[in-house]
Amino acid sequence: DQQVKQNSPSLSVQEGRISILNCDYTNSMFDYFLWYKKYPAEGPTFLISISSIKDKNEDGRFTVFLNKSAKHLSLHIVPSQPGDSAVYFCAASAQGGSEKLVFGKGTKLTVNP
Amino acid sequence: NAGVMQNPRHLVRRRGQEARLRCSPMKGHSHVYWYRQLPEEGLKFMVYLQKENIIDESGMPKERFSAEFPKEGPSILRIQQVVRGDSAAYFCASSPGQGTQYFGPGTRLTVL
Repeated sequence: DQQVKQNSPSLSVQEGRISILNCDYTNSMFDYFLWYKKYPAEGPTFLISISSIKDKNEDGRFTVFLNKSAKHLSLHIVPSQPGDSAVYFCAASAQGGSEKLVFGKGTKLTVNP
Repeated sequence: NAGVMQNPRHLVRRRGQEARLRCSPMKGHSHVYWYRQLPEEGLKFMVYLQKENIIDESGMPKERFSAEFPKEGPSILRIQQVVRGDSAAYFCASSPGQGTQYFGPGTRLTVL
């Protein structure tokens, strides 16, 4: 039973354009959502998070949108840069983030120069 | 301000040996989480510990795996009698209790 789904295994965009990564979840108890970026042979690096009391959070080039009724969140990267090329994981947690994280399988983003 | 530290970064064991993976959380963090990533998969939760207590071990295999976070020193994930299927990347994360979990670089376990 996959509670967090990232349905696109890969995404390719041109440098300077917008990258949109999507994530769906099924568990209504999730109230804290995070995006991590991961390079091969390294640990996940935290990018941005959002609490269920909000529908948008922005940090520089990264914006996360949360649609609770659709149980859907997305990460927008504008403008995309070649250094953004990595695997992006969506994760969800209950109890304000104090519980375990449930991860999607990841989306591999390639930003072409 | 050091991040989450894990060692060793790479560990090779033969079938039947024991593997010990260590994790030192970020300064000020008293909550530690262990995750495992199998090839081509996302990260899967294993266990959540606070100092001297296991809070949630729902992701731990029933046999051969154990974890501790003593009052002093790092958290240890111990795998006894390793098998080839234990080969994976093991990640530790820490948090202050709520909010964001920050991850270490991982230990890559290879079982021959």
